[in-house]
Amino acid sequence: GIQVEQSPPDLILQEGANSTLRCNFSDSVNNLQWFHQNPWGQLINLFYIPSGTKQNGRLSATTVATERYSLLYISSSQTTDSGVYFCAVVPDQGAQKLVFGQGTRLTINP
Amino acid sequence: ETGVTQSPTHLIKTRGQQVTLRCSSQSGHNTVSWYQQALGQGPQFIFQYYREEENGRGNFPPRFSGLQFPNYSSELNVNALELDDSALYLCASSLDRRAGYGYTFGSGTRLTVV
Repeated sequence: GIQVEQSPPDLILQEGANSTLRCNFSDSVNNLQWFHQNPWGQLINLFYIPSGTKQNGRLSATTVATERYSLLYISSSQTTDSGVYFCAVVPDQGAQKLVFGQGTRLTINP
Repeated sequence: ETGVTQSPTHLIKTRGQQVTLRCSSQSGHNTVSWYQQALGQGPQFIFQYYREEENGRGNFPPRFSGLQFPNYSSELNVNALELDDSALYLCASSLDRRAGYGYTFGSGTRLTVV
């Protein structure tokens, strides 16, 4: 099945710093999403971005489908940005299901 | 509009026992998907229900089963619990059967098997 790899696994930054999270996937996809898992366990959708670039406030994401990767940018980090960020894809072929990466744990220190 | 509610929030069971987890869909949503998230891992797809019928299943054994009710709430049942079943169980409801589209996730049930 499709493989989804996220890097780095852990990232520790000071408040105000910028960060880039990466997601590589091994096969073509028809859906790619970025999620933030809050401390209560709930997954919050940040972007639906199978291709192209989107921005929402301090967050932006870019997916280059032909090269099978996506990037999530967080600018001017705040302590509330802390948590685990997941990339999830739906492969073009095979079962219609979200396949998640292992996540990047982001810690923003004050 | 209400979100997705899961119950209970935490649960401790003994190996070999059976457990039922519950998920109330967001108002108007007719599709529910269940995911298992082991500690330090990403969620893994268990199955999806659409209008009371199973509409896709991941690589989980038959002792993982589910139901969806006419009001679109759902249950996940796990028989013969094993230690490796310890995990956060997440459900997501949506109006769209396509995986991931319009998902609203609940906060999960944390199951510990001892």
